[in-house]
Amino acid sequence: DAGITQSPRYKITETGRQVTLMCHQTWSHSYMFWYRQDLGHGLRLIYYSAAADITDKGEVPDGYVVSRSKTENFPLTLESATRSQTSVYFCASGAGTEAFFGQGTRLTVV
Amino acid sequence: GENVEQHPSTLSVQEGDSAVIKCTYSDSASNYFPWYKQELGKRPQLIIDIRSNVGEKKDQRIAVTLNKTAKHFSLHITETQPEDSAVYFCAAQHDNDYKLSFGAGTTVTVRA
Repeated sequence: DAGITQSPRYKITETGRQVTLMCHQTWSHSYMFWYRQDLGHGLRLIYYSAAADITDKGEVPDGYVVSRSKTENFPLTLESATRSQTSVYFCASGAGTEAFFGQGTRLTVV
Repeated sequence: GENVEQHPSTLSVQEGDSAVIKCTYSDSASNYFPWYKQELGKRPQLIIDIRSNVGEKKDQRIAVTLNKTAKHFSLHITETQPEDSAVYFCAAQHDNDYKLSFGAGTTVTVRA
């Protein structure tokens, strides 16, 4: 399918576990982003990437790791999940201005 | 880094009335200001955007204005309809790093 897809859509994990959220885009957009959405905070940037093998921290990077070995994939890893990381996570991609969002992953850390 | 503030956080309007959402930004180097709409349970989607060399832009019932001197921009929705009920986000970006910084969002409810 063309576009940007995230997996899984829903995930429940335990405190301390490692979890990886996947993001795949078919447009060959150079830029990719990870945001978390929490009530009252809007969309906060976790990490972003300008191209393969180039990543930068956003506003709230602590506790997260990203990689971008291929242009189309931008996985986000929570190294040791905490309850404060319970959130909806959105991946996005873009080529210059407009950002296209995935459908989101709802992550619950218990 | 860029800081975007958005007001109000909630807005309730009668169907047919206008809605206005205001945002301010901190980084004078920002030059691209998009607005996203997010319906319940859905992903954010771009509805209109404006660049810093333009003061106003319209698309049917929605318009965006930008005051670069004051570092604020606004979204105007006229003749509101029930399908306008959603969360609206403003954002700011500058070309040298392409980061999109978002406001906290405005929940708009259109009353029938």
